[in-house]
Amino acid sequence: EAQVTQNPRYLITVTGKKLTVTCSQNMNHEYMSWYRQDPGLGLRQIYYSMNVEVTDKGDVPEGYKVSRKEKRNFPLILESPSPNQTSLYFCASSLARGRSYEQYFGPGTRLTVT
Amino acid sequence: DAKTTQPNSMESNEEEPVHLPCNHSTISGTDYIHWYRQLPSQGPEYVIHGLTSNVNNRMASLAIAEDRKSSTLILHRATLRDAAVYYCILFYGSSNTGKLIFGQGTTLQVKP
Repeated sequence: EAQVTQNPRYLITVTGKKLTVTCSQNMNHEYMSWYRQDPGLGLRQIYYSMNVEVTDKGDVPEGYKVSRKEKRNFPLILESPSPNQTSLYFCASSLARGRSYEQYFGPGTRLTVT
Repeated sequence: DAKTTQPNSMESNEEEPVHLPCNHSTISGTDYIHWYRQLPSQGPEYVIHGLTSNVNNRMASLAIAEDRKSSTLILHRATLRDAAVYYCILFYGSSNTGKLIFGQGTTLQVKP
């Protein structure tokens, strides 16, 4: 089954403790992206990747890192999480550059930073 | 950045057509218009996309204005399952980047 998986689905952590949210897709998609969703602010893009070893900033990249060493994986790294990073996070992937192809979204990761 | 503007909310009766508008007056010539929807407690899902011509698929139709500064997502017969937040987005710029701006979306309520 074609899908985007995220792990963990739920995470409660403390300020400053490094964490990684994994994202994996099984569709051989070139394009992958991370979003955060907050009440009243909608979906905002954090980082995206056009292909292996190619990443770029979205609208809200501060406090996040990403890497794209393999085509299927696109982990989101929070080196020193803070409470303002408490949010619902979605990973997405699509063929080609994503412009004319549908994006597939993962189920989401709810992160709470205390 | 090319952005979209949508009404915050709309209501519809079940089994009636719904027209969800989107304004994108700063769209560039090579931007595709995409629509996604997000059901409660789920990730967004793709609905439809287009460039210049109107498009139809099993879920909906997309009507694009001749000047491409606006578009309308048409659900031909709304069902209770269509109650969701609908996002109209553009793939940013003519420089072929992957940057996306989602906006607030329109919350669609469907009344039985």
